[in-house]
Amino acid sequence: GQNIDQPTEMTATEGAIVQINCTYQTSGFNGLFWYQQHAGEAPTFLSYNVLDGLEEKGRFSSFLSRSKGYSYLLLKELQMKDSASYLCAAMDSNYQLIWGAGTKLIIKP
Amino acid sequence: GAVVSQHPSWVICKSGTSVKIECRSLDFQATTMFWYRQFPKQSLMLMATSNEGSKATYEQGVEKDKFLINHASLTLSTLTVTSAHPEDSSFYICSARRRAPYEQYFGPGTRLTVT
Repeated sequence: GQNIDQPTEMTATEGAIVQINCTYQTSGFNGLFWYQQHAGEAPTFLSYNVLDGLEEKGRFSSFLSRSKGYSYLLLKELQMKDSASYLCAAMDSNYQLIWGAGTKLIIKP
Repeated sequence: GAVVSQHPSWVICKSGTSVKIECRSLDFQATTMFWYRQFPKQSLMLMATSNEGSKATYEQGVEKDKFLINHASLTLSTLTVTSAHPEDSSFYICSARRRAPYEQYFGPGTRLTVT
């Protein structure tokens, strides 16, 4: 079957770095997405990785290892506004997104 | 990033009436659009997938006669909730996917309250 695993909740300190891991199993693979969702709002696109390696976008970076079925989202210089849920989703062979349940990130001062 | 708009952002309607929600991709052509529903503190739930010019594909358990989806053009999809009931109250979010590299963007969502 198809499955996405990511931690339910993480806590980090303002100004620090946090890494949110995601493992996936899908029928075929056409890329890995990360979204940010604040409470009561729709998800916002953060990144899309289809090749192995690290992609950096400002304070946020995303890494993919296709052979390991593994990705992570790295957030640097954490700010209070980064408190949100982070959704990992893998695109299968039919180009459908398979969603993880999301990781709730709590930032403490 | 690409922009997806959704209208209205919130709506209150009486039980038994119908509500139409519009989703537009503003700066790209969306070959596929998706409709999701999300209840408070729960994960996104995919309701249906629609490709421009063809009938929508509904997920198991979603009534296609109740949730009418029309994807008339590469930039517009509509979801009509027919004969709405209080249990249909939820946050409805559309998403649009562009052609390769298949990035998928979300609209801001529509909060529906049925009284």
